[in-house]
Amino acid sequence: AQKVTQAQTEISVVEKEDVTLDCVYETRDTTYYLFWYKQPPSGELVFLIRRNSFDEQNEISGRYSWNFQKSTSSFNFTITASQVVDSAVYFCALSVRDDKIIFGKGTRLHILP
Amino acid sequence: ETGVTQSPTHLIKTRGQQVTLRCSSQSGHNTVSWYQQALGQGPQFIFQYYREEENGRGNFPPRFSGLQFPNYSSELNVNALELDDSALYLCASSFGLRTYEQYFGPGTRLTVT
Repeated sequence: AQKVTQAQTEISVVEKEDVTLDCVYETRDTTYYLFWYKQPPSGELVFLIRRNSFDEQNEISGRYSWNFQKSTSSFNFTITASQVVDSAVYFCALSVRDDKIIFGKGTRLHILP
Repeated sequence: ETGVTQSPTHLIKTRGQQVTLRCSSQSGHNTVSWYQQALGQGPQFIFQYYREEENGRGNFPPRFSGLQFPNYSSELNVNALELDDSALYLCASSFGLRTYEQYFGPGTRLTVT
């Protein structure tokens, strides 16, 4: 069975601080995809990144970076120099082969001005 | 290229009633997946339609049913509504069974009273 765990339910940081959102996944398959989505108060899921299981390279996109470690089954997300607009619920998700996307319960991030 | 659209945006129904939610897939996509997101939870897979046929179903009772039309738009029907059906309903479209390339719509927020 597949599972995604986001242990941090809610995080609050002051603007300009760095923050890391943790994600641990479980799957016995060797081929899978990992995702991060952002959900602002409007409710729409905003796609941030997709990573396949064969690509362990870390990725940086502006203030966002992702650390994928198969050895620990983790796919963590770091926001550098956080901004108030980063306040949202962030979901980590897993898809095995062509199967449905399985989401974690999300981490609610508050960036305080 | 138009994105995924959903209607209505919000809906209020009474327990026991029936509801139909609609989703128009992104241009060129022939697969639609539906997810239910209860308050404070991550989205959960309901079912998927590929070329007008159901192709996979999550752990939802039969009163959740769907339909996909020749233009690949889709409907989600829920009969005998229960209070716990109150949620944000998201649809996502993709080309073929590339679940890892799903694009999500803005969602329909259903409130059952």
